[in-house]
Amino acid sequence: DARVTQTPRHKVTEMGQEVTMRCQPILGHNTVFWYRQTMMQGLELLAYFRNRAPLDDSGMPKDRFSAEMPDATLATLKIQPSEPRDSAVYFCASGTQGSGETQYFGPGTRLLVL
Amino acid sequence: GQQLNQSPQSMFIQEGEDVSMNCTSSSIFNTWLWYKQDPGEGPVLLIALYKAGELTSNGRLTAQFGITRKDSFLNISASIPSDVGIYFCAGQDAYSGGGADGLTFGKGTHLIIQP
Repeated sequence: DARVTQTPRHKVTEMGQEVTMRCQPILGHNTVFWYRQTMMQGLELLAYFRNRAPLDDSGMPKDRFSAEMPDATLATLKIQPSEPRDSAVYFCASGTQGSGETQYFGPGTRLLVL
Repeated sequence: GQQLNQSPQSMFIQEGEDVSMNCTSSSIFNTWLWYKQDPGEGPVLLIALYKAGELTSNGRLTAQFGITRKDSFLNISASIPSDVGIYFCAGQDAYSGGGADGLTFGKGTHLIIQP
């Protein structure tokens, strides 16, 4: 049963610390998305990659957030330095180009910045 | 950017009742998707719609892509306890061109089933 995996599932850290979240997309999917979910804003697109190339990161605060795909099986989202307002659930989703943008979500990383 | 208005925000229903929720957009969409999110999990795709007027069913769920391409609805018939969760509509703007392939999500409809 192919699914997107994310680690860690939960993260509690102090303000100013670096946070790295990891995602393994479904094998064969060439598009990877990062979303953030909060009660106030709902689901927001942060960035996405196609064939490992970043296509759009306009939703991401550039000064502290960075997203990369070191290889086809790993996507990372890093926050440095973290702030309390970054507390949210971060989802990774993957899909294939031409699939009508059907995306499959991972279980999320729940981040709490104190 | 495009906005999605999803309603209602929450629904309190009795088991066995039918449920209806909808989404409207400020621009034309070429894809509508409906997801369900259980507590502590990521959204799970329920139904995908790709053509205006398309009506698609998945078990007790039925969704339609509005003719104007600016709206979609989701119906659940004969609700059961496991239907509890948050339902999200999501769509892709028809004029996103080569840019944002990411989806725009509605704020969600919280479905609560009373015993």
